[in-house]
Amino acid sequence: DTAVSQTPKYLVTQMGNDKSIKCEQNLGHDTMYWYKQDSKKFLKIMFSYNNKELIINETVPNRFSPKSPDKAHLNLHINSLELGDSAVYFCASSQGGGSSYEQYFGPGTRLTVT
Amino acid sequence: AQTVTQSQPEMSVQEAETVTLSCTYDTSESNYYLFWYKQPPSRQMILVIRQEAYKQQNATENRFSVNFQKAAKSFSLKISDSQLGDTAMYFCAFMKLLGVPNFGNEKLTFGTGTRLTIIP
Repeated sequence: DTAVSQTPKYLVTQMGNDKSIKCEQNLGHDTMYWYKQDSKKFLKIMFSYNNKELIINETVPNRFSPKSPDKAHLNLHINSLELGDSAVYFCASSQGGGSSYEQYFGPGTRLTVT
Repeated sequence: AQTVTQSQPEMSVQEAETVTLSCTYDTSESNYYLFWYKQPPSRQMILVIRQEAYKQQNATENRFSVNFQKAAKSFSLKISDSQLGDTAMYFCAFMKLLGVPNFGNEKLTFGTGTRLTIIP
C-alpha cells in the first residue's frame, strides 16, 4: 500500500500552459504539505493544509494555487507555467502535533517546463 | 528565521567504513525537532533519524546515530558499517515546535544536502 502517492510522476509541458499535480495519502493524517526541490536539490516548503484549511502559504507566486477537497487529498495547480517552475514537487503528510512530527513524503513529481 | 547549514556538499567512503555528516543550525527557539532524511537516486525522501531538542540522549537507529550538541547547535549523523545502499543525498532538517499544537505549522527547514557515495 502506497502511503503518499502523487500523480503524475513526470510532467513535461510548455511555457504558458496550466497544469495540476495531485496528491493522496491513506495514512489518516490531518496535515498535508507541498515542498519544492530545485535543480540544486534544495527543498523548501510551499504550502501546508490542516483538515482542508490553508495554514502555511510561503512566498510563492500567485500562479500556484493549492486545493484540498478533503483531508486525504491535496492538489497543486500551476497557471502560466514558466521555465523557473521546473523542479521536483513533493507532497508530504503528517499527523500534525503528534508525538513524532514525522512527515511522510510522496515519490515526487518532476516538472519540466520547455 | 531558522537556517540549516551542511558544509560538506559531497563525501565518499569505502564500504563497511564509518562516516560522519555535519549539520549546524541557527535558531533562537528552545523547543524543536531535528531530522536526517535520505534521498536515494529513486528520489524518495526517507526519514533516517529524529532528535527532540529537549532530550539530551542522542538518538540511535541501528547503524545510524546522531551527535546532538544543543549549545553548539550541531547535529551530525554517523553511519557505521556503511553499505552500498546508503549511497544517497542526506538532508538535515529543522522543525520549530509551538508551545500549543498548531497543526499544519510544523514545517521542515532543510539544509542544502550532502551527497554521500559508498565505494565498493
